[in-house]
Amino acid sequence: EVQLVESGGGLVEPGGSLRLSCAASGFTFSDVWLTWVRQAPGKGLECIARLKRETDGGTTDYAAPVKGRFSIARDDSKNTLYLQMNSLKTEDTAVYFCTTGLIAALGTILWGQGTLVTVSS
Amino acid sequence: DIQMTQSPSTLSASVGDRVTITCRASQSVSNSLAWYQQKPGKAPKLLIYKASSLGSGVPSRFSGSGSGTEFTLTISSLQPDDFATYYCKQYNNFMWTFGQGTKVEIK
Repeated sequence: EVQLVESGGGLVEPGGSLRLSCAASGFTFSDVWLTWVRQAPGKGLECIARLKRETDGGTTDYAAPVKGRFSIARDDSKNTLYLQMNSLKTEDTAVYFCTTGLIAALGTILWGQGTLVTVSS
Repeated sequence: DIQMTQSPSTLSASVGDRVTITCRASQSVSNSLAWYQQKPGKAPKLLIYKASSLGSGVPSRFSGSGSGTEFTLTISSLQPDDFATYYCKQYNNFMWTFGQGTKVEIK
């Protein structure tokens, strides 16, 4: 089945850390660029981290609110994308989605179902 | 950063109506523009990419147009399943930016 499945969300105190995972199946994971997008409660979509495929240099970039605190990485041998989140703030509370670039063979962009991260004391 | 501005923020319409949503970019994004539909508690679903290309499995009542800085999403005949929030997204820059969303409500 073609899908992305996130895991690792939960409740964490301010200043804490969390690592999200996104397991992929049904397509050639190593061929795609990958992205984390988050959505705070009742708010819109925010792209926070992107990662090119290794053959394109594996370049990363981050949105200003998370730069220096979050780190995106991939393990193509495990078809898994990660987001390491450190020094978490209450404003990081959101549903976190992993997503791909356009997969030409499928004619679409894949999204996971999302995982909720709540930062609260 | 490229800013994306959608209008209107909320739209009230009836089944069968023709609906148009506009997205403006703060600088040219060429045709690197996508449209998504999102329902509560769900992930966004791709409708349109490359400004006017229909995503796989998307009904033909959805269409997109535009280039540069101004884009539109049109639903030719609104169906009950179409009541949702719609987002535009530019991907001309490596870091994507989304519009603030347009909620399509039942009139």
